[in-house]
Amino acid sequence: EAGVAQSPRYKIIEKRQSVAFWCNPISGHATLYWYQQILGQGPKLLIQFQNNGVVDDSQLPKDRFSAERLKGVDSTLKIQPAKLEDSAVYLCASSLTLGGEQYFGPGTRLTVT
Amino acid sequence: DAKTTQPTSMDCAEGRAANLPCNHSTISGNEYVYWYRQIHSQGPQYIIHGLKNNETNEMASLIITEDRKSSTLILPHATLRDTAVYYCIVRVGGSYTNAGKSTFGDGTTLTVKP
Repeated sequence: EAGVAQSPRYKIIEKRQSVAFWCNPISGHATLYWYQQILGQGPKLLIQFQNNGVVDDSQLPKDRFSAERLKGVDSTLKIQPAKLEDSAVYLCASSLTLGGEQYFGPGTRLTVT
Repeated sequence: DAKTTQPTSMDCAEGRAANLPCNHSTISGNEYVYWYRQIHSQGPQYIIHGLKNNETNEMASLIITEDRKSSTLILPHATLRDTAVYYCIVRVGGSYTNAGKSTFGDGTTLTVKP
């Protein structure tokens, strides 16, 4: 069974530029999560989708971050404009059901200079 | 804020059991205890979870105290590849609307030494 796929694996941008990350969850998984992990800290949940609807986006900085999961399968997370403090690993995870165990992708390491 | 407390770091000798404690004194009745680990430069990996009974799978055992205020993850025969950051999380399971929302703390860095 293929795992959660993410791309790109690495991205370097300058502050005020925009960037987008892509995630393809495990086939059949209804729930999809985006996390931000700053170096030395645990992952922080940004947004949670159930199929193509948002379940929780309370910690998403909506002035600059946006995410969508239009067809209930893959998802994109966008940052516009990026700030230095957005430098982090962005992790995507999926679970079969809303309360099921989560399976994580390898992450995208973003560096904002 | 994370709802769990874990030691910052632990060491374990290769081949011995690694016992990782977690305190979750404010756990609610519908919250499960989940354990994940994160090996350097990889995404977190699911290990095990439980509600109130002890659980065992091919990776580890989970011991939850009777009052559910703390738990211990046991890796029975630690290897060098078990060196990782281990996260203990409590979260709602099932089909509740807030199910799945996970708050990670900073975890325990386990170092397995030869």
